[in-house]
Amino acid sequence: KNEVEQSPQNLTAQEGEFITINCSYSVGISALHWLQQHPGGGIVSLFMLSSGKKKHGRLIATINIQEKHSSLHITASHPRDSAVYICAVGSGSRLTFGEGTQLTVNP
Amino acid sequence: DAGVIQSPRHEVTEMGQEVTLRCKPISGHNSLFWYRQTMMRGLELLIYFNNNVPIDDSGMPEDRFSAKMPNASFSTLKIQPSEPRDSAVYFCASSYVAGGEQFFGPGTRLTVL
Repeated sequence: KNEVEQSPQNLTAQEGEFITINCSYSVGISALHWLQQHPGGGIVSLFMLSSGKKKHGRLIATINIQEKHSSLHITASHPRDSAVYICAVGSGSRLTFGEGTQLTVNP
Repeated sequence: DAGVIQSPRHEVTEMGQEVTLRCKPISGHNSLFWYRQTMMRGLELLIYFNNNVPIDDSGMPEDRFSAKMPNASFSTLKIQPSEPRDSAVYFCASSYVAGGEQFFGPGTRLTVL
């Protein structure tokens, strides 16, 4: 069993839909990161959180430390949101990555 | 700031050749990370430095891989000799503090023939 499990692996949505990507982990962490990787390959950090909820524009990330679970939500999804979303858990500086969720938003 | 800079962006080499990947972290960042991404294994940490000192190199696959950080603004990842299974995208990332948000470079796509 991987230390970091993401679901779903693939997700296709229509523009405007509300999207949720889930991440479960099995180890103690100091922080959880959500990353976005676009088709061109570049990786961008979206959120780093250790408790509660964070919001940035149409993106919301939540974490439940007791349940070892995090969710990434995208409201009013848009084709430009199409990317791979990667959950990573941090133990100190060391990150362990999930396999990623491939999101495709169709117009 | 230009962000994390990596060079080259693409490298094609033949098996047995030495490969050197370069990274310039964001100015003022104290931690630097080297990652490898493959279809089979996803993203993996190879090594990270804090204040130019290697802290954790447990992800370095074998002795053919070595990394240095001679100063706060430059790091190299060297593979000697290279093998086809080393083909991957290698990312460098930096963070302001250990355990902080990481900023990734554009990556180097390495192909070993």
